[in-house]
Amino acid sequence: EVHLLESGGGLVQPGGSLRLSCAASGFTFTNYAITWVRQVPGKGLEWVATISGNGADTYYADSVKGRFTISRDNSKNTLYLQMSGLRAEDTAIYYCAKDRSDIALVYVMDVWGQGTTVIVSS
Amino acid sequence: AIRMTQSPSSFSASTGDRVTITCRASQNISSNLAWYQQKPGKAPNVLIHAASTLQSGVPSKFSGSGSGTDFTLTISCLQSEDFATYYCQQYYNYPLTFGGGTKVEIK
Repeated sequence: EVHLLESGGGLVQPGGSLRLSCAASGFTFTNYAITWVRQVPGKGLEWVATISGNGADTYYADSVKGRFTISRDNSKNTLYLQMSGLRAEDTAIYYCAKDRSDIALVYVMDVWGQGTTVIVSS
Repeated sequence: AIRMTQSPSSFSASTGDRVTITCRASQNISSNLAWYQQKPGKAPNVLIHAASTLQSGVPSKFSGSGSGTDFTLTISCLQSEDFATYYCQQYYNYPLTFGGGTKVEIK
């Protein structure tokens, strides 16, 4: 069964740092791009970042560019999101999600994790 | 960034109803549109991609149409498990953007 499991969320002070992880299983991890999407509880979805299967290409929303870094360790089937300079507006549930295609990056996410919650507050 | 506008933002319907949700893009996105369903406390689940292609395993009561700037998601016969929030997402270019969501509630 294809599965994604996020971890690493928590309470952090403004300006602080946090690293989220996303452990993958049930598919050939290196073949698929993975995306982070966040959601303020009760609000809509916001794309955060995407990384290609081999890790060579990364893409970021303007709202996190320069503060967040997406990376992956294909030997560990794990995706990361290093977050620094955190702001109150980064408070959200963070989901990792797998691209539906192993041929080309199509930016349609067919498997999602259950999410991990990040709260930025003093 | 391409702005995705969904309408309505919420509505009430009854089991058995045929319902349609609309999504409009601020510029031409060809058929680069996906629809997701999200239930409370759960992650989104993809229903449709390429505007009208049903994702594997998704019931055929869901259908999508449109191209360019105007798109629709139709649920042919609403069942209890379909009461949820639906989002459209464009993947024509970066940044990927989602519509604000349409909440389908029980009448």
